[in-house]
Amino acid sequence: QSVLTQPPSASGTPGQRVTISCSGSSSNIGSHYVYWYQQLPGTAPQLLIYKNNQRPSRVPDRFSGSKSGTSASLAISGLRSEDEADYYCAAWDDSLTVLFGGGTKLTVL
Amino acid sequence: QVQLVESGGVLVKPGGSLRLSCAASGFTFRDYYMTWIRQAPGKGLEWVSYISGSDGTLYYADSVRGRFTISRDNAKNSLFLQMNSLRAEDTAVYYCARGPPNYSGYDATIDHWGQGTLVTVSS
Repeated sequence: QSVLTQPPSASGTPGQRVTISCSGSSSNIGSHYVYWYQQLPGTAPQLLIYKNNQRPSRVPDRFSGSKSGTSASLAISGLRSEDEADYYCAAWDDSLTVLFGGGTKLTVL
Repeated sequence: QVQLVESGGVLVKPGGSLRLSCAASGFTFRDYYMTWIRQAPGKGLEWVSYISGSDGTLYYADSVRGRFTISRDNAKNSLFLQMNSLRAEDTAVYYCARGPPNYSGYDATIDHWGQGTLVTVSS
């Protein structure tokens, strides 16, 4: 059971906007940056969002991150079939460990 | 370009030991934190350990502290994970990944990942 809580699944149709939530506590999300990782089927994870809302240059601006208090969200606009993947949030915790959320499987209908 | 290649994953009996290696190239290895992250079959990601590039700072997940040891050889651009007292629940793909630059504070930016090596703990 992960300390960072994500919905196990999410879905949307092409072109739609979907959001994935990540809930934590004051010792992790509440006091540290949030990161998001995308894992396409059969591949290694890759960085999607860092420091709450920053995108690596290769990541399209359809992907955005936000944080408020002890929760964070990943938004994907203009949903595309290639966005079908598992998405994980992550954050440092005051216990000096890195926590991952349980992951959200995104299905493009 | 950055490349990370893991090796050493095998089938091992419960209670056994194993050493994973990761060969890094394409960047100044000593300038970065390095990390191990694992993924049990069909499950989510679990962070295992972090090591700084130069000052020896180490971090471990509670689930492996006291059993696993992370280390690195900056002269050989290599990262290691010594795994002792292995349990069935340690069965996973182990990813070697690049963390943030040294002295970044509590930054979990993991921007390059290897393809992983499978460790199976079973009798």
